[in-house]
Amino acid sequence: AQSVTQLGSHVSVSEGALVLLRCNYSSSVPPYLFWYVQYPNQGLQLLLKYTSAATLVKGINGFEAEFKKSETSFHLTKPSAHMSDAAEYFCAVFNFGNEKLTFGTGTRLTIIP
Amino acid sequence: DSGVTQTPKHLITATGQRVTLRCSPRSGDLSVYWYQQSLDQGLQFLIQYYNGEERAKGNILERFSAQQFPDLHSELNLSSLELGDSALYFCASSVDPSGNTIYFGEGSWLTVV
Repeated sequence: AQSVTQLGSHVSVSEGALVLLRCNYSSSVPPYLFWYVQYPNQGLQLLLKYTSAATLVKGINGFEAEFKKSETSFHLTKPSAHMSDAAEYFCAVFNFGNEKLTFGTGTRLTIIP
Repeated sequence: DSGVTQTPKHLITATGQRVTLRCSPRSGDLSVYWYQQSLDQGLQFLIQYYNGEERAKGNILERFSAQQFPDLHSELNLSSLELGDSALYFCASSVDPSGNTIYFGEGSWLTVV
């Protein structure tokens, strides 16, 4: 079965600094990978997804993620953090066995003014 | 706005009681998913319906049940509530049953006292 591990339950960056949220996956087959964002008191919103096309995936709000098979990683980045990026971010992998999304434990991103 | 509507947004009830959470999927989506998000368990898949039929079960307790109606809205019934059932319950929907891209509602906060 596929799984994802998010490194760092809390990440703080200064406004304007690079955002890097880490996600590593485990999968015996080419994975489908996703990043979701959850703003305070809201549901999960799809940021971007990788489904075996281009390895660099661009999402909403200036975020992007790069699929690196050699590193089994799918880290989320944004060049310049904005205060509005403060949220919880979830990496997820599509589990082909039960056709369900399996979510990581989440990373809470705090932006320092 | 994902287009997935959940009611109620907040609910406080006593132990032993029964509640019903309601979900309307995005227009055109045939598949509905229920997830539970709690501090200690993270985001857990509960159950999926596709076009009125149960398609997959996850970590759903026997005290919980769900159904999807002919108009495609879904209800999650939680009975004999315990303090540990306090959580954020999400509904999500997708157009097909594969579940590789799903859209979440804003959730229903359940507090059991």
